[in-house]
Amino acid sequence: SQQGEEDPQALSIQEGENATMNCSYKTSINNLQWYRQNSGRGLVHLILIRSNEREKHSGRLRVTLDTSKKSSSLLITASRAADTASYFCATSDNYGQNFVFGPGTRLSVLP
Amino acid sequence: EAGVAQSPRYKIIEKRQSVAFWCNPISGHATLYWYQQILGQGPKLLIQFQNNGVVDDSQLPKDRFSAERLKGVDSTLKIQPAKLEDSAVYLCASSSIIYGVSYEQYFGPGTRLTVT
Repeated sequence: SQQGEEDPQALSIQEGENATMNCSYKTSINNLQWYRQNSGRGLVHLILIRSNEREKHSGRLRVTLDTSKKSSSLLITASRAADTASYFCATSDNYGQNFVFGPGTRLSVLP
Repeated sequence: EAGVAQSPRYKIIEKRQSVAFWCNPISGHATLYWYQQILGQGPKLLIQFQNNGVVDDSQLPKDRFSAERLKGVDSTLKIQPAKLEDSAVYLCASSSIIYGVSYEQYFGPGTRLTVT
């Protein structure tokens, strides 16, 4: 089965710095999504990138997708304490089924 | 727009007892998902419905877990009998479908289940 795997498992940075997380998967996908989870707001969708896209931006978020390497990265620029959360990538197959979430990257942004 | 509703928010039961969770998705969303999230791990898909039909239940432990989605709207997930390893947060999510493909999922707050 396809499996999203994020790295690093944990990341600690200072406020204002950039944070980069990576995701790898195993099989063909229709799209790849990134989600954020913190205790206050639960699991929230951040951004979706389709298999025919290479890069996508949303505010301070930048996602890239390399289907040849079966990998994606999430960049958060100018991080804030409020960005402290766990970040998960999720993939689905070409039929929009078989959703698989990775184990997540725990990001801590220190003031 | 109202979000995904789940109840109860917390449940404590003893092993071998049964429990049921309820989910009301966002109005108009054809696809509904149930996930199990164990502490420190990512969500694991248990079952995916499209309208009131099951499209993926490959990871649902069918000997003890069951789910239904009547009339293609609300859904219930049941565990009977519960085991200690079922202690987790059970998340419900819904999404719309565009040209047959489900996209971003909207999650409910989850039900935290503790089995003692």
